[in-house]
Amino acid sequence: EVQLVESGGGLVKPGGSLRLSCAASGFTFSHAWMSWVRQAPGKGLEWVGRIKSKSDGGTTDYAAPVKGRFTISRDDSKNTLYLQMNSLKTEDTAVYYCTTDDWLLGMDVWGQGTTVTVSS
Amino acid sequence: EIVLTQSPGTLSLSPGERATLSCRASQSVSSSYLAWYQQKRGQAPRLLIYGASNRATGIPDSFSGSGSGTDFTLTISRLEPEDFAVYYCQQYGSSPPTFGGGTRVEIK
Repeated sequence: EVQLVESGGGLVKPGGSLRLSCAASGFTFSHAWMSWVRQAPGKGLEWVGRIKSKSDGGTTDYAAPVKGRFTISRDDSKNTLYLQMNSLKTEDTAVYYCTTDDWLLGMDVWGQGTTVTVSS
Repeated sequence: EIVLTQSPGTLSLSPGERATLSCRASQSVSSSYLAWYQQKRGQAPRLLIYGASNRATGIPDSFSGSGSGTDFTLTISRLEPEDFAVYYCQQYGSSPPTFGGGTRVEIK
């Protein structure tokens, strides 16, 4: 079964840091481009950033609101995707989803999400 | 970046009725890389349609997508109780990928 399972969410103060993880199973993770998408409470979906497969260069792209503060990485030996979030702001409060990011299918597999709350 | 505008914001319909959802892009979507997702309350989004008109695995044929360029449509031919949800369009042909604001399909 193809599955993505996020973890690492929680409550953090403004200016703080948090690292999210996404464990993948049921597909060849090392071949997959992966993205993070977030959803603020009661709002729509917002793309956060993506990482390409190593065979495609392993490069990253980020949405403007998080560029310079968030870093996406991957460990193909552990089938795990990461999102390092620094200098967190209250507006980063959201459910964070990891997704596969396929050139043909779009975002065809989603995790269940992990909640990040930034509040003093 | 490409801005996607979905209409209407809310669609109030009865089970068995036909739903027509619109997604308009601020510029042409490359190679029809347009997807539709369904999200039920408290759940992750689920891919319904990719490439503007292709149903994802396991999606019933009551869902269909059409369109090209800047105008796209998701049609649900006959609403089942489980189809009442929020629907998002997304373009993934150019970076950054962007989502529309969503259309809520609610029970009338």
